[in-house]
Parts: sequence; C-alpha cells; structure tokens
Amino acid sequence: NAGVTQTPKFQVLKTGQSMTLQCAQDMNHEYMSWYRQDPGMGLRLIHYSVGAGITDQGEVPNGYNVSRSTTEDFPLRLLSAAPSQTSVYFCASSYGRGVSTEAFFGQGTRLTVV
Amino acid sequence: AQTVTQSQPEMSVQEAETVTLSCTYDTSESDYYLFWYKQPPSRQMILVIRQEAYKQQNATENRFSVNFQKAAKSFSLKISDSQLGDAAMYFCAKGANQGAQKLVFGQGTRLTINP
Repeated sequence: NAGVTQTPKFQVLKTGQSMTLQCAQDMNHEYMSWYRQDPGMGLRLIHYSVGAGITDQGEVPNGYNVSRSTTEDFPLRLLSAAPSQTSVYFCASSYGRGVSTEAFFGQGTRLTVV
Repeated sequence: AQTVTQSQPEMSVQEAETVTLSCTYDTSESDYYLFWYKQPPSRQMILVIRQEAYKQQNATENRFSVNFQKAAKSFSLKISDSQLGDAAMYFCAKGANQGAQKLVFGQGTRLTINP
C-alpha cells in the first residue's frame, strides 16, 4: 500500500499564480484533510472532507479551495498565491467517526511564494 | 475554540536517560482521542502513541508512555532509555468525533538527544 501520497514535494510560486496540491490515498478512508505547518504554530486545519462530495472549512480556510469527487483524491487549490501561504502542507486521511484512531499523513509539500 | 498547548519549545536529554514532554489541552468533550506525533527531519508525521479519554489506564508503546490526567486536561509523554533516533519534533494533538478527525495540534517540542 502506498498510503497517502502528496505531489509535488517542493514548489516555488510567484505571487498571484495558481496551483493545485494533489493528495491521494489508497486505504478507502472516508475522512481526508489538509493542514499547514508554520514555524512555532504546529499544524493547523485548512479544509476537510467526510466523504466524496462533502467538504467543510477548518481553522484557516481563506485562500484555499477543495473538492472531493472520489474517495481517493482530495486536491487543494491555491487560486492566487500570496507570500503568507508560504508553508509546509500536509494531507491526512483516516476512517470515519468512532473508528478512526489514527490519521495517516502524506510526506508534505514545501511551498514557497515569492 | 479548542486549544492544545506545549509549553516546552525545546528539550534535551542525555542518551539512555528519561525525558518527559508536557501537553495540556482544552475541551468540553467527554470522549476523545489524544495523540503524540513525531516529526523527524524527513518531515514525515509518525504516530508515537494514542490515548482514549474514557480509558483510565495510561497508554504505553515500548519505551514510550503517557501520563493522562483527564480532570487536569494534561497529557504528557515520557520517553525512557532515550536513543539518538528519538531526536525530532514532537507534537501533541487532540482529535474530534471520537477519533483522529479535525486534529488540533500543539506548537511542538524539539527534542535533542545528547550522546
């Protein structure tokens, strides 16, 4: 099993550019989420999904869009990148309510916006 | 909003000794999970140990154990017989919906192992 796969691992963007961070899991997990990690702040939840077609906002959703058309994939879109979005991004997946006792994380994407 | 606080930005310990990392949290839930994750320089998030809030017995995983004080909302991690491979960032996290969903993380503690 590949687990949770994120692409790319590194990315440099210019301010105003758009891009999509890809996330795929092969564990048939219902729940998927995106976090960003900034120095001294731990990981913070951006968006999450409890199943195909269902998404919701986390703690820091501004500037990001998500969609979930399949159980396996949960891409994160930056429509107009800003320097404040420079961060490390993690995708995670787990089983649903009451049975998810572990979140599995991807390898992370280091994004720099210049 | 729920919060998780790690008050020790950095800790260091001699190889083979014991170290305890602190974590406190805030919640109104009665049933939830708490986690400790390790992040080595590779950036990968690795689950170290988890604790169910309704279980009074403290979780243990080999050299790793927790001291869970539900009333005090405290969840510390003890690492015994520290090894060089334990050097990493350690994050405390609380899950929602009786599991690992909507994790709220602490700020992290950087652990250094001195040979």
